[in-house]
Amino acid sequence: QKEVEQDPGPLSVPEGAIVSLNCTYSNSAFQYFMWYRQYSRKGPELLMYTYSSGNKEDGRFTAQVDKSSKYISLFIRDSQPSDSATYLCAMSERRSSGDKLTFGTGTRLAVRP
Amino acid sequence: KAGVTQTPRYLIKTRGQQVTLSCSPISGHRSVSWYQQTPGQGLQFLFEYFSETQRNKGNFPGRFSGRQFSNSRSEMNVSTLELGDSALYLCASSLAPSGRSEQYFGPGTRLTVT
Repeated sequence: QKEVEQDPGPLSVPEGAIVSLNCTYSNSAFQYFMWYRQYSRKGPELLMYTYSSGNKEDGRFTAQVDKSSKYISLFIRDSQPSDSATYLCAMSERRSSGDKLTFGTGTRLAVRP
Repeated sequence: KAGVTQTPRYLIKTRGQQVTLSCSPISGHRSVSWYQQTPGQGLQFLFEYFSETQRNKGNFPGRFSGRQFSNSRSEMNVSTLELGDSALYLCASSLAPSGRSEQYFGPGTRLTVT
């Protein structure tokens, strides 16, 4: 079983829809949670960086962390065709031997005009 | 502020050869991490350097190695290339060790091994 599970999609939604992207994890030591967006043939771009359980909002994006359920989500409001990309969740565990950062495999999102 | 830069952007090599990839972090960032991205495996961690010291290493064979210079620029070397090494190699930089601060990725180097 992978430490971080993410549905690969593809997820196809009409423009203007609310998109919900999710990851589950098994390692309770993960403390920091991130969402990245990756366009085709580009490097991942950091969207959200959170530490604690709860919600964090940035424009049309809301990141939600539920440590008790080991579940994180990214919501995109009023989705646009330019949001079409692969979304990667990532989580890190602080260790004295070197922090461990683990990525999900990514969810492909397509927003139809 | 300039972002993370990687050179070269594209490489074609043959089996058995070696390759060196370069990464220049964001100015002021002291941590550089390297990742391999393939369609089947996703993003896999190779290693991380912070202040010229390797902090962490992923589960890759010894053919994969790296180093970091005093100006925080980093290089990654792959020796005796195999077909399975074809991938997008990404580096990412951060102020503090990865996981403790926001990590920013470069555009990647696409390596094709024939």
